[in-house]
Amino acid sequence: AQKITQTQPGMFVQEKEAVTLDCTYDTSDQSYGLFWYKQPSSGEMIFLIYQGSYDEQNATEGRYSLNFQKARKSANLVISASQLGDSAMYFCAINTGGFKTIFGAGTRLFVKA
Amino acid sequence: DGGITQSPKYLFRKEGQNVTLSCEQNLNHDAMYWYRQDPGQGLRLIYYSQIVNDFQKGDIAEGYSVSREKKESFPLTVTSAQKNPTAFYLCASSIGSGNTDTQYFGPGTRLTVL
Repeated sequence: AQKITQTQPGMFVQEKEAVTLDCTYDTSDQSYGLFWYKQPSSGEMIFLIYQGSYDEQNATEGRYSLNFQKARKSANLVISASQLGDSAMYFCAINTGGFKTIFGAGTRLFVKA
Repeated sequence: DGGITQSPKYLFRKEGQNVTLSCEQNLNHDAMYWYRQDPGQGLRLIYYSQIVNDFQKGDIAEGYSVSREKKESFPLTVTSAQKNPTAFYLCASSIGSGNTDTQYFGPGTRLTVL
């Protein structure tokens, strides 16, 4: 069975600084996709970034990058130059094919002015 | 603009009532999903559908029902058999069911049982 672990219930970061949100996963499948979503207080889940298990390069999307360490089974999200609007819940998820995407419990990020 | 719409945004239900949550997408996606989110928790899959007239139970399907009569629509009915329905409900869609297929979400419906 697949599992996602996000060990940081809450994180604080100063505006304009970088922050890393941790995500470790567990799967016996060789082919899988890793996803990060942002959930602001409004509730909508916003897709941020995707990393495939066979991708050799770390994924990047604007200020978001994914630090993918396959041997450690970690897929940490790095947000550079934090903004006040980055304050939200962040969820890591894994899909090994089929319909089941497993989500972690999330990390709440607070950006301080 | 393409996207997913859910209605209503807030829904109040009396004990013993069935209620239906709407989900519509114009992304031309084949797959659609319903998730439940409880406070401080991640998402749990209720039902999913790959194509019209086909759907499968997820992890917590008891007390819920769905239909998929049109590609664009995937309504969820919360029946009186669902003992604790107060939660935030999210609908999602994706092009397919592969592990590279990103799920895109609607704005959600918050259901409260009075």
